[in-house]
Amino acid sequence: QLQLQESGPGLVKPSETLSLNCTVSGGSISSRTYYWGWIRQPPGKGLEWIGSIHYSGRNYSNPSLKSRVTMSVDTSKNQFSVKLGSVTAADTAVYYCVSLLVGPTLPYFDYWGQGTLVTVSS
Amino acid sequence: QSVLTQPPSVSAAPGQKVTISCSGSSSNIGNNYVSWYQQLPGTAPKLLIYDNGKRPSGIPDRFSGSKSGTSATLGITGLQTGDEADYYCGTWDSSLSAWVFGGGTKLTVL
Repeated sequence: QLQLQESGPGLVKPSETLSLNCTVSGGSISSRTYYWGWIRQPPGKGLEWIGSIHYSGRNYSNPSLKSRVTMSVDTSKNQFSVKLGSVTAADTAVYYCVSLLVGPTLPYFDYWGQGTLVTVSS
Repeated sequence: QSVLTQPPSVSAAPGQKVTISCSGSSSNIGNNYVSWYQQLPGTAPKLLIYDNGKRPSGIPDRFSGSKSGTSATLGITGLQTGDEADYYCGTWDSSLSAWVFGGGTKLTVL
């Protein structure tokens, strides 16, 4: 089964760019049946989808964050990444990387990383 | 304010049954499949139900899901203390062009 592991700085200054990587093991990031994505959860709050990307480069992101989000895939490292620009304290959250299984019906998030807390503070 | 509406909390005694509702609209639940996720305290969410009512391998049949119109329901029978968790519903919203989730329901097993 897939395993996903987030990595990146735990502290980011306001107005700077948050950058996270997710390493996939137990499967290939070049799988046609998977999209790869990011979901975040502010402390004590619910889940918010950030965006999803296919190894081909096709991607889509939450319209509420779209102008600040950049995603990429590195097939040589079996990794995918997200960058969120111009962060504020409101971007403080646990960030999860997820796999999105594409099948005959609606895709769903079948595997989740353990999550990494990113705090935006000066 | 979440696009999908869930009750903030539900509770029941061990061995009993509980249901958690998830209400949406025609742009999300009404025309898309629903998945459910269980988040045990201090851990990442885990897939519990997909395609409205299908269970991934390893999920016991105490957990069930259904959908009717613009609402979905998660059912848990034979409640155990280990079921205490936050539960989230999720689906695609065609109007927003975004994946959306409910605000989460905290299950307490008394």
